[in-house]
Amino acid sequence: SQTIHQWPATLVQPVGSPLSLECTVEGTSNPNLYWYRQAAGRGLQLLFYSVGIGQISSEVPQNLSASRPQDRQFILSSKKLLLSDSGFYLCAWTLGNYGYTFGSGTRLTVV
Amino acid sequence: AQSVTQPDIHITVSEGASLELRCNYSYGATPYLFWYVQSPGQGLQLLLKYFSGDTLVQGIKGFEAEFKRSQSSFNLRKPSVHWSDAAEYFCAVGERGFQKLVFGTGTRLLVSP
Repeated sequence: SQTIHQWPATLVQPVGSPLSLECTVEGTSNPNLYWYRQAAGRGLQLLFYSVGIGQISSEVPQNLSASRPQDRQFILSSKKLLLSDSGFYLCAWTLGNYGYTFGSGTRLTVV
Repeated sequence: AQSVTQPDIHITVSEGASLELRCNYSYGATPYLFWYVQSPGQGLQLLLKYFSGDTLVQGIKGFEAEFKRSQSSFNLRKPSVHWSDAAEYFCAVGERGFQKLVFGTGTRLLVSP
């Protein structure tokens, strides 16, 4: 069966520090991968999605970037975190049938 | 572009009472529609989805939703709410031919004893 792993679960980082969040999917090939952010009291905002290795589409211009170095690996990065980057980050995958499966999320607090 | 509106930010329902969460979408063609549930600090779990066919869709945990094209709605219902249903519920719309979902802002369900 397919599983999605996302880590770390929680992260506290100072302003100006770098960020790397990792998401991996097991049990499938060539999934579509997504990064969403959920700010406190708000809905889910799509940040990036990828339909294949090295292919990244950005939905919102911001301080973040994404990469897909391997078929089932999706990384969210920042060179210098801002306070406004705080939030709950969710990774998701689908095989195109719109049955999105979400990871358990990373709570990022920038201090 | 497609969009989703969940007009109720919070809803409180007594345990055992019926529930209806509202969702309206904006999309030119027949959309893919979804309901997800999120427990505090957790990821999202798919409750049900509509692609085509029967407009009344059954999901997990006793939930159902009805697609009404004339009203651009996809409301979520449950005949009898349990305390464990307290969570945040998100409606989402997918655009045919594209590989991404747009989510509503969510409705937080509180269940009173």
